Amino acid sequence: AQSVTQLDSHVSVSEGTPVLLRCNYSSSYSPSLFWYVQHPNKGLQLLLKYTSAATLVKGINGFEAEFKKSETSFHLTKPSAHMSDAAEYFCVRGGATNKLIFGTGTLLAVQP
Amino acid sequence: EPEVTQTPSHQVTQMGQEVILRCVPISNHLYFYWYRQILGQKVEFLVSFYNNEISEKSEIFDDQFSVERPDGSNFTLKIRSTKLEDSAMYFCASSDQGMRQPQHFGDGTRLSIL
Repeated sequence: AQSVTQLDSHVSVSEGTPVLLRCNYSSSYSPSLFWYVQHPNKGLQLLLKYTSAATLVKGINGFEAEFKKSETSFHLTKPSAHMSDAAEYFCVRGGATNKLIFGTGTLLAVQP
Repeated sequence: EPEVTQTPSHQVTQMGQEVILRCVPISNHLYFYWYRQILGQKVEFLVSFYNNEISEKSEIFDDQFSVERPDGSNFTLKIRSTKLEDSAMYFCASSDQGMRQPQHFGDGTRLSIL
C-alpha cells in the first residue's frame, strides 16, 4: 500500500538553527508529494509540492524539500528556525487516485 | 487569496443525532474532499466528489455518511446517526484539478459527540 513515514514525532530546535523534518515514502511510480503545516486550531496549509519537475522544491516561509528517488525521501528543511515555525508538519503523498495519504505528523518546537 | 471556509468551527451533538457539516470550497475548484482527524491520530481520507458524484470513498465512509453539493457553492457532509467514535476534526478540501495536485483545506470543524 502507498504510504509515507515521518520518522520523528517530535523535533525541537533553537531559534536561528536549521530545521530538518524527515519523510520517506513507499516506492511506486513517481509520486506527488507535499508538505503541509498545521498551526494550533488552524487548518492545513500547503508549504510546498513536488509533482515530478525539479527535485529541489522551494516553498513558503523559507522552507524547501528535496526529492531523492534513490532514498525514497522527501525531507523538509529550513536554514534558520523562527519562533513562528512552531507547528505540526505533515508529509503527504498523492496516491493512484485523487485522495491524499498523510503521514503521522511531526511536531516542531522552537526554543528561544 | 481564496480560501475554503467551514462552518461551524465546533459542533457538539448528542449520540444518535444527525449532524451536517458545511463547507464552501474555492469558487473555481472542481474537486471536493472530506478528511477527518481523530485526536492523536493521522488525517484520514473519507470521500472525494467530482461532477456531482462521489468519485472515491474510504472504508470509513459507510452508509451513515453522505455528501451533497446542494447548490453552486456549498459542499456538505452529513452523518445520519452519530456515534461516540465520530468525534474528530473534519476537514474539507478542494482542488482545481485531480490527481497529483495539491488540495486546499479549510480550518476544520471539531465535532464532539456526547
